Amino acid sequence: DTEVTQTPKHLVMGMTNKKSLKCEQHMGHRAMYWYKQKAKKPPELMFVYSYEKLSINESVPSRFSPECPNSSLLNLHLHALQPEDSALYLCASSQVSGYGGLYEQYFGPGTRLTVT
Amino acid sequence: EDQVTQSPEALRLQEGESSSLNCSYTVSGLRGLFWYRQDPGKGPEFLFTLYSAGEEKEKERLKATLTKKESFLHITAPKPEDSATYLCAVRGGGSQGNLIFGKGTKLSVKP
Repeated sequence: DTEVTQTPKHLVMGMTNKKSLKCEQHMGHRAMYWYKQKAKKPPELMFVYSYEKLSINESVPSRFSPECPNSSLLNLHLHALQPEDSALYLCASSQVSGYGGLYEQYFGPGTRLTVT
Repeated sequence: EDQVTQSPEALRLQEGESSSLNCSYTVSGLRGLFWYRQDPGKGPEFLFTLYSAGEEKEKERLKATLTKKESFLHITAPKPEDSATYLCAVRGGGSQGNLIFGKGTKLSVKP
């Protein structure tokens, strides 16, 4: 089963709201990722967790706060977002090789976020 | 700097008209080239991984090939359901495992 699930599918939030995006995988993958994708653009990497530890933060503003409670779950906490943060937020997971390399990533369906 | 360029940006085909999509890359120490398919409003769907020049992989009407500078995604006798954006991504030795995506090729197949 190569399935990554994300909830909610759609989210509308005001600039003063706090919300969270959730991602789950049961493939035994030990690397999980958050991407942001704007219309007609490729995905942009935001964060990488490897073995539940944050390994990459691509200079993302602090209004985005990731959390990896265990090897199957990944959250993205949102606070005080701006309208330009409206996008499709994608979660992905992959295996980790013995030397720390990362294999192909499997993506979830995404959460369509609109900030008003 | 690692870079991925896909061409064409958009491709319109008639059903049954075979063609190829191109992905040119510049990367230090290729650790994998990946092809994904993405339908509008959905997450990318993994298709293939290629690791070394000369490698080929096939799945139904799709065949991916790799040289030292580029990869091709050949589509044989496409059907309307093959319409999607096809994304190419590479992982280089200096990228900490990050995928570097191209901008994609939007394929439309008309019946």
